Amino acid sequence: TQLLEQSPQFLSIQEGENLTVYCNSSSVFSSLQWYRQEPGEGPVLLVTVVTGGEVKKLKRLTFQFGDARKDSSLHITAAQPGDTGLYLCAGASNFNKFYFGSGTKLNVKP
Amino acid sequence: NAGVMQNPRHLVRRRGQEARLRCSPMKGHSHVYWYRQLPEEGLKFMVYLQKENIIDESGMPKERFSAEFPKEGPSILRIQQVVRGDSAAYFCASSPMRGSYNEQFFGPGTRLTVL
Repeated sequence: TQLLEQSPQFLSIQEGENLTVYCNSSSVFSSLQWYRQEPGEGPVLLVTVVTGGEVKKLKRLTFQFGDARKDSSLHITAAQPGDTGLYLCAGASNFNKFYFGSGTKLNVKP
Repeated sequence: NAGVMQNPRHLVRRRGQEARLRCSPMKGHSHVYWYRQLPEEGLKFMVYLQKENIIDESGMPKERFSAEFPKEGPSILRIQQVVRGDSAAYFCASSPMRGSYNEQFFGPGTRLTVL
């Protein structure tokens, strides 16, 4: 049983399109992280959200933490081929343990 | 401030040999996590360690696998008598202790191939 469910699992879009990736759970987390991983590399931390309802922007990426701190979304505006990769969300418990979603594999075609 | 370092980046072993994977956390980080990843899949938690202590090893197989994080030196993930099914990418992450929240930073991984 996956504590964090990510959707969609796969997404293939054209350059310039917008997309949203979701990360859902029935558990409450003290914080939630989003990572991007490219083939052959380790995950790279994009953002950490801590407060319920928090919205953070990183250039064309917008991250939102749900009010109840159980879910999160990542929205990418005008996707570019360089955004291609595996996007992972991870929820942190109060006991410093991290629970990962299964990932969303994004392919942005030029 | 150097990031999390892992070595070797690639490791080839024959069935029955031992594999030792090393992880040096970021400076000032006292928490280390090990994960395993199969191709096209997400990260599977294996073990969480602080200096000289195993905090949570619920994701680690009971046999052949062990991990340590000594007072001095890197964290080591040890796999004895490797089998083909151990072939995977193994990632280490380190974390500082913050008061209100925590986050992890990953190393580049060690890709283990068992022949």
